[in-house]
Amino acid sequence: QVVLQQSGPGVVKPSQTLSLTCVISGDSVSSNSAAWHWIRQSPSGGLEWLGRTYYRSKWYNDFAVSVKSRITVNADTSKNQFSLQLNSVTPEDTAVYYCARAENRAARSFDYWGQGTLVTVSS
Amino acid sequence: DIQLTQSPSFLSASVGDRVTITCRASQGISSYLAWYQQKPGRAPKLLIYAASTLQSGVPSRFSGSASGTEFTLTISSLQPEDFATYYCQQLNSYPRTFGQGTKLEIK
Repeated sequence: QVVLQQSGPGVVKPSQTLSLTCVISGDSVSSNSAAWHWIRQSPSGGLEWLGRTYYRSKWYNDFAVSVKSRITVNADTSKNQFSLQLNSVTPEDTAVYYCARAENRAARSFDYWGQGTLVTVSS
Repeated sequence: DIQLTQSPSFLSASVGDRVTITCRASQGISSYLAWYQQKPGRAPKLLIYAASTLQSGVPSRFSGSASGTEFTLTISSLQPEDFATYYCQQLNSYPRTFGQGTKLEIK
């Protein structure tokens, strides 16, 4: 059973950095068949993919164009976790943020999700 | 980016009804489509992947099918716990994109 446990602050001030962590149990962040994603859901309900990290003999990342200049996703193998940093946030970054696993054996679908973290950007 | 258009956006139905939700892709995505169910305050839950493969533990009343760029999710006999919002997602290319959602409500 895979469990993704998210942590991080619920309020971030405008222009500051949003930082979230997703701790993995039941799988390895270095898995050769999985990728580790961040997704957010706006207050209106739409789901937006933000980025991913994955290991295939070396680490790779992909990011959404909308956040590419502001986003960092890192894996920490010693803690079996991955993280999201989003710089220079504005109120438009207010959303529920999710981490998720995509597994090749499930045709790349997101089969496990974290519990979600509501992040509000406000002074 | 690949656009996914779900229809309808809202659906009102009764327990025991058969319902169908459609997701149309703006270009070919092979069978790289997944369906998720989301209840208020919860993360999305994977129901179907590869257009028609039922995720382990998901009731058999859920099914998926594909025809070209049109995909359907069918619930054969609605149960009270099925009232939720449903999203499709394409996994063919990046960026991964989602449909806008279909909210299934009790009539």
